[in-house]
Amino acid sequence: NAGVMQNPRHLVRRRGQEARLRCSPMKGHSHVYWYRQLPEEGLKFMVYLQKENIIDESGMPKERFSAEFPKEGPSILRIQQVVRGDSAAYFCASSPYLDREQYFGPGTRLTVT
Amino acid sequence: SQQGEEDPQALSIQEGENATMNCSYKTSINNLQWYRQNSGRGLVHLILIRSNEREKHSGRLRVTLDTSKKSSSLLITASRAADTASYFCATGGGADGLTFGKGTHLIIQP
Repeated sequence: NAGVMQNPRHLVRRRGQEARLRCSPMKGHSHVYWYRQLPEEGLKFMVYLQKENIIDESGMPKERFSAEFPKEGPSILRIQQVVRGDSAAYFCASSPYLDREQYFGPGTRLTVT
Repeated sequence: SQQGEEDPQALSIQEGENATMNCSYKTSINNLQWYRQNSGRGLVHLILIRSNEREKHSGRLRVTLDTSKKSSSLLITASRAADTASYFCATGGGADGLTFGKGTHLIIQP
């Protein structure tokens, strides 16, 4: 059973471009979470999705950020018109149940120049 | 929202010694989890302790939970160089995700 996969591992974007981050959860896991980590900080929750549904996006900025988890394919975190402050590591995690351990991917390190 | 805060922020010990990290949180919980993050990598789940448990062991790890003080501790016994990492406690894990503290950066000196 492969772990949580994320790609790309590193992404460089110029200000104003779009960033698309992908996450494939572990097989059998229907709960997907996205987190953002700034340098020397803990992870901050962004959004929680199940297949085809956004359940809680309370941690995600209202503008420029969106997430989806389609019926087929990976979960996507999309950041439009990136700014330097979006530079961070973005982690995806999946879980088979709520209120249980989560399994994290290796992260995507986004650098905005 | 619930929040875990780890203490100390950084800890440096000799290989073979024990390392203890503490975590405090603010509201009631169903469980508390500890994760490890090696530099530049994703988080690895270490242990989950439920609110009705007081102590839990996993290999060289021992976690305690005191819900009356809203605190938890992680003890790593007989530390090894490979234990060098950042350690985070986390609460929640429901629809609003896990809430992490800033972590304890542990350095094991050979």
